[in-house]
Amino acid sequence: GAGVSQSPSNKVTEKGKDVELRCDPISGHTALYWYRQSLGQGLEFLIYFQGNSAPDKSGLPSDRFSAERTGGSVSTLTIQRTQQEDSAVYLCASSLGIRETQYFGPGTRLLVL
Amino acid sequence: DAKTTQPPSMDCAEGRAANLPCNHSTISGNEYVYWYRQIHSQGPQYIIHGLKNNETNEMASLIITEDRKSSTLILPHATLRDTAVYYCIVRMLWDGQNFVFGPGTRLSVLP
Repeated sequence: GAGVSQSPSNKVTEKGKDVELRCDPISGHTALYWYRQSLGQGLEFLIYFQGNSAPDKSGLPSDRFSAERTGGSVSTLTIQRTQQEDSAVYLCASSLGIRETQYFGPGTRLLVL
Repeated sequence: DAKTTQPPSMDCAEGRAANLPCNHSTISGNEYVYWYRQIHSQGPQYIIHGLKNNETNEMASLIITEDRKSSTLILPHATLRDTAVYYCIVRMLWDGQNFVFGPGTRLSVLP
């Protein structure tokens, strides 16, 4: 079946602009996660959604970052007033439930000039 | 901080078994061992996970020592497409945000 998809695959933007990153989880997966991976580094947790519960936003680095998940499916990560240090690969993952294995999308490579 | 220790790199001949070790001496009783890999420019790919018993699936086998302080991921017949960075992670099932990827092992499968 289809895996996790993300769009765009690459995004180049200018400092100060807003960007939106999209994630389509695997159908039927109730849990959705956003991570960030800087060059050569491990994954940094950002936020996760589980069903209709309030999202865990504990990993968001600043109030410039926000995410929403509409209808329990597609999620959008928004970064306002982008900074150069926001440049990274943004990864989305989904799982059947919070206790289940996470499956990752291909990521969105964000470059802030 | 990652709770695991892995060698930074390994080579393996194509067609041979690749055995990737991982030390996790501080693992707690309810933490699972997960293995993911990341091929250049792609998202992490789930391979296998286990608690204390050895596990096998279509991709690999996972051997966990009896004291659970270390494990080995086995790719039985490595191919060039298995060249990737392999990550060993320990986490509780419900701990979504505790997905800490260390540096991993860069496996190079050689023709």
